Amino acid sequence: KAGVTQTPRYLIKTRGQQVTLSCSPISGHRSVSWYQQTPGQGLQFLFEYFSETQRNKGNFPGRFSGRQFSNSRSEMNVSTLELGDSALYLCASSTGQGGGGEQFFGPGTRLTVL
Amino acid sequence: QKEVEQNSGPLSVPEGAIASLNCTYSDRGSQSFFWYRQYSGKSPELIMSIYSNGDKEDGRFTAQLNKASQYVSLLIRDSQPSDSATYLCAVNRYNQGGKLIFGQGTELSVKP
Repeated sequence: KAGVTQTPRYLIKTRGQQVTLSCSPISGHRSVSWYQQTPGQGLQFLFEYFSETQRNKGNFPGRFSGRQFSNSRSEMNVSTLELGDSALYLCASSTGQGGGGEQFFGPGTRLTVL
Repeated sequence: QKEVEQNSGPLSVPEGAIASLNCTYSDRGSQSFFWYRQYSGKSPELIMSIYSNGDKEDGRFTAQLNKASQYVSLLIRDSQPSDSATYLCAVNRYNQGGKLIFGQGTELSVKP
């Protein structure tokens, strides 16, 4: 089985711009979770989508949003970028059944905000 | 108090030794526990999952869970230099879907 894929792998943006990141889960997985990883805060949960519905949301401002399509692919969007949004953005997929299953991470998108 | 706590390390062990990594969590509603390995510049890779009290073994790795004491540990037997990485403990609470709470990670260095 192919693993989780994320595009693009690297992005450089300037403050105030917006960005869209994409995640394709493992075939058959219906849940996609997004995380932000920074040296200071570690790995923090952004949100989870299951069957096209947001099932859970972390403590991030409304500038961070996401969606999931019928094929389980997911996108996250960050509007009005700030310097502090520079981070590694990771998505993880799971079957989603029962909620607490194993999650498998993609390679991540490295976002740099200048 | 952080929800999931790990010793930040670095933890240094000689090749062939047992590495012991510990993690404590604060929420008794936690139901699923995971260990991930992350090499520098890479994404986390799932090593072990454990859901009930006791030990779970997979090759050189053993996860131990004690819900009464609210800790989960990972033992790596016969440590190899290739095991040098940051190990992340993650916890999932009951009824919170796929939300994982991560510890800050423990950096492990295995010296040849």
